Amino acid sequence: AQTVTQSQPEMSVQEAETVTLSCTYDTSESDYYLFWYKQPPSRQMILVIRQEAYKQQNATENRFSVNFQKAAKSFSLKISDSQLGDAAMYFCAYRTGYGGATNKLIFGTGTLLAVQP
Amino acid sequence: DAGITQSPRHKVTETGTPVTLRCHQTENHRYMYWYRQDPGHGLRLIHYSYGVKDTDKGEVSDGYSVSRSKTEDFLLTLESATSSQTSVYFCAIGGLFDTYGYTFGSGTRLTVV
Repeated sequence: AQTVTQSQPEMSVQEAETVTLSCTYDTSESDYYLFWYKQPPSRQMILVIRQEAYKQQNATENRFSVNFQKAAKSFSLKISDSQLGDAAMYFCAYRTGYGGATNKLIFGTGTLLAVQP
Repeated sequence: DAGITQSPRHKVTETGTPVTLRCHQTENHRYMYWYRQDPGHGLRLIHYSYGVKDTDKGEVSDGYSVSRSKTEDFLLTLESATSSQTSVYFCAIGGLFDTYGYTFGSGTRLTVV
C-alpha cells in the first residue's frame, strides 16, 4: 500500500523569505501523480501544484515549485517570497496513475505553515 | 467549491443518533469520495463511489455507510454516532481521467456530544 509522510508538523517563515516543506512517499508503482494542497483557515482545500511521475522536469506555479526526486521518493514544496496569505496547512498527496476504481488520493498528515511579518 | 456542495456545514449531534451528510455535485463526475480530517492524521478515505450504486470502502469505513442513487448525490451516514466520529468531513469529486487531483467541498464540521 502507498503511504505519504510529512515529517514537519509545523514550520515558520519570515515574510519575503523562502521555505521548503518536505514530503516522502512509498510506492511500488511507476506511474502516479503527486500533489500539494493548501488549506487556509477557511477549510477550503486548494490545489497548489501537481507533478506527473513520468516527467523529470520539476513543476512550477508562480512562487511555488517542487523538487521531485523519483528515486528517493521525495516531493518537497518550495515557496519563494513568502506572503502572509501563504499561512495555511499544506498537505502532500499521492494518486495512482492507473485510473479507474483505484483513483484515490492518499494524504500525508500535513504541515502547518506560519508566516511571520 | 464551484460544482460541489456539502450540507450541513456544521452539525452537533448526540451519541447514538444516526447522522447523514450530503454531497451534491453538478459536474457529472463519475467518482465521489468521503474523507475525514483529524489533527495528526491528515485526510483519510472513508468510502468512495465509482458510479451509481457502486461504492467501496476506504481505510476508515467502520461505523459509516454510503449511498449513491444518482450521479449527483453521495450520502454519508453515521449509523450510530460516537465521540470518535467528531471530525471534519470532506466530499471530493473526480473524473475518470482527471489528473488534476480532485475538487473538494467546503467540509462539514461534525461534533458528537
